[in-house]
Amino acid sequence: NAGVTQTPKFRVLKTGQSMTLLCAQDMNHEYMYWYRQDPGMGLRLIHYSVGEGTTAKGEVPDGYNVSRLKKQNFLLGLESAAPSQTSVYFCASRKDRVSLTDTQYFGPGTRLTVL
Amino acid sequence: AQSVTQLGSHVSVSEGALVLLRCNYSSSVPPYLFWYVQYPNQGLQLLLKYTSAATLVKGINGFEAEFKKSETSFHLTKPSAHMSDAAGYFCAVSDAGNQFYFGTGTSLTVIP
Repeated sequence: NAGVTQTPKFRVLKTGQSMTLLCAQDMNHEYMYWYRQDPGMGLRLIHYSVGEGTTAKGEVPDGYNVSRLKKQNFLLGLESAAPSQTSVYFCASRKDRVSLTDTQYFGPGTRLTVL
Repeated sequence: AQSVTQLGSHVSVSEGALVLLRCNYSSSVPPYLFWYVQYPNQGLQLLLKYTSAATLVKGINGFEAEFKKSETSFHLTKPSAHMSDAAGYFCAVSDAGNQFYFGTGTSLTVIP
């Protein structure tokens, strides 16, 4: 049981390049989330999904797109990277809203630098 | 709307001293409250969770937190700090909706 995994761990992009971050979970969780973490700002929600085929915007969705074609995978795309998107990106999954053990399980993060 | 305020972005304590990390929340409904820990270059891990079963919640590594509704607080404590406790600590609130709301975090330094 690997939990939540993220690919890649590190990436350097030039302004205007595109890339996709992959998040995978093997816990059969319904919910998945993408956050970015910047110094002094905690975690900010980018997009999330409440089930296969669904996505919704979070607090800071601009410049990002997501897809949840399979229940176990949640992809985050940057179509045209900007230096302001330099950050550490975390994926998280959650079983559902009603379980008493409800919590989010986090991946190890992807450190992205945009030059 | 839900929100979380963590007072003190950096806290330093001596090894063996009391750890107190503050968290205040606002929620329009009875909340679920969480504390997560983040070690360097890692993701967040759950320390403990309040779900209304008991106001004093015990977590891993000797940490505990007390839910005080009248103060809208959920402060994290540990009686005796250990060097391995040096990490980032995040408070979060959920109203059992789709989202969790995180505080800005507190970086704990333990001085030998």
